[in-house]
Amino acid sequence: DTEVTQTPKHLVMGMTNKKSLKCEQHMGHRAMYWYKQKAKKPPELMFVYSYEKLSINESVPSRFSPECPNSSLLNLHLHALQPEDSALYLCASSQEGTEYGYTFGSGTRLTVV
Amino acid sequence: GEDVEQSLFLSVREGDSSVINCTYTDSSSTYLYWYKQEPGAGLQLLTYIFSNMDMKQDQRLTVLLNKKDKHLSLRIADTQTGDSAIYFCAGGANNLFFGTGTRLTVIP
Repeated sequence: DTEVTQTPKHLVMGMTNKKSLKCEQHMGHRAMYWYKQKAKKPPELMFVYSYEKLSINESVPSRFSPECPNSSLLNLHLHALQPEDSALYLCASSQEGTEYGYTFGSGTRLTVV
Repeated sequence: GEDVEQSLFLSVREGDSSVINCTYTDSSSTYLYWYKQEPGAGLQLLTYIFSNMDMKQDQRLTVLLNKKDKHLSLRIADTQTGDSAIYFCAGGANNLFFGTGTRLTVIP
């Protein structure tokens, strides 16, 4: 299995809702990442997990809450989002560090209404 | 993160070569990468180059790296309509940071 699987593919949520994005990989990668990509922009790093521990939080608002239940799973819990949080949320995984590049999922397209 | 700049748009005719350029500021990246993103999709790793190399060829793709000028390029030979996409260069010592992306349009 050489894929990163993200669910759901599309999500529409209200500003008072709580929802979660899920990401799964079975490549034995020990680093997992959340990126946010706005339209016509490059992906921006949000969080890095290394060996199931949060190692980087790129000053992301607390309405985004990551969780890594085990080495194969990464979640992003969403609460009280704003319309400007609408974006494509990409999960990636890698061997630790950048040596072999990152494998990306196809993303969750989130719309906040 | 580092600053990674690309020209925004490139149009080429089918069958011609495409050259996508990238300049970066942080020279501590061990590897530099090219990713392809089709509309509505995630990022696909196309190729990468080790920082102590100056050229890598992989079928229709040629990567050139000029470390002195901090310039990376991707040449696509015999460009096809299926190559139309956004291309991102990426690098970083510890975590991956992406360039601004170049939208390649292939004209039939």
